[in-house]
Amino acid sequence: DTGVSQNPRHKITKRGQNVTFRCDPISEHNRLYWYRQTLGQGPEFLTYFQNEAQLEKSRLLSDRFSAERPKGSFSTLEIQRTEQGDSAMYLCASSLGLGGSGPIFGEGSWLTVV
Amino acid sequence: AQKITQTQPGMFVQEKEAVTLDCTYDTSDPSYGLFWYKQPSSGEMIFLIYQGSYDQQNATEGRYSLNFQKARKSANLVISASQLGDSAMYFCAMREGRSGGSYIPTFGRGTSLIVHP
Repeated sequence: DTGVSQNPRHKITKRGQNVTFRCDPISEHNRLYWYRQTLGQGPEFLTYFQNEAQLEKSRLLSDRFSAERPKGSFSTLEIQRTEQGDSAMYLCASSLGLGGSGPIFGEGSWLTVV
Repeated sequence: AQKITQTQPGMFVQEKEAVTLDCTYDTSDPSYGLFWYKQPSSGEMIFLIYQGSYDQQNATEGRYSLNFQKARKSANLVISASQLGDSAMYFCAMREGRSGGSYIPTFGRGTSLIVHP
């Protein structure tokens, strides 16, 4: 499979616990994006990497959120001390530069905080 | 101000007919790109079509075409010969120059399309 892979696909956690999501982008893609999507809304930008450098973070990304992309390959998104408002789908996407197509998305990771 | 506006929360179309999904955008950047994505109930965002602001011709990809009207800042998606499998949420998105030139796509709220037999 040469697409964008996200794990786990579904996560149920208790409020206050930490969770980590992993994204494996398409191998030659240098750009990687994280978005969050809640019901009835479009994806909202969280953060963006070019290779291993995290170049931009949204105001949505509170200090409980951290993202890494070591060696410019896979990326992780960690949420500490989860809150019920963190319940959403977390989408990862990757692209090769600004080519004439949109970023390719993974299937998303659903988070439910109870 | 909203960067991407999709005014149709829901659309219904009969199988084999054409349908147009509206999208207007707001930018002052002369260099930008517009996208449409499809999101079926499974949740995956599927890239459909891309239009660059400097492209002279409207983009087409199979049954999908983008009606790009730059002066009106609209980028409507036209789906010809609708199929039952086209039932999904459709999102319009734009990337424009930002500080540092990161060109991060911003999405609209989406339009739900239902194709009925």
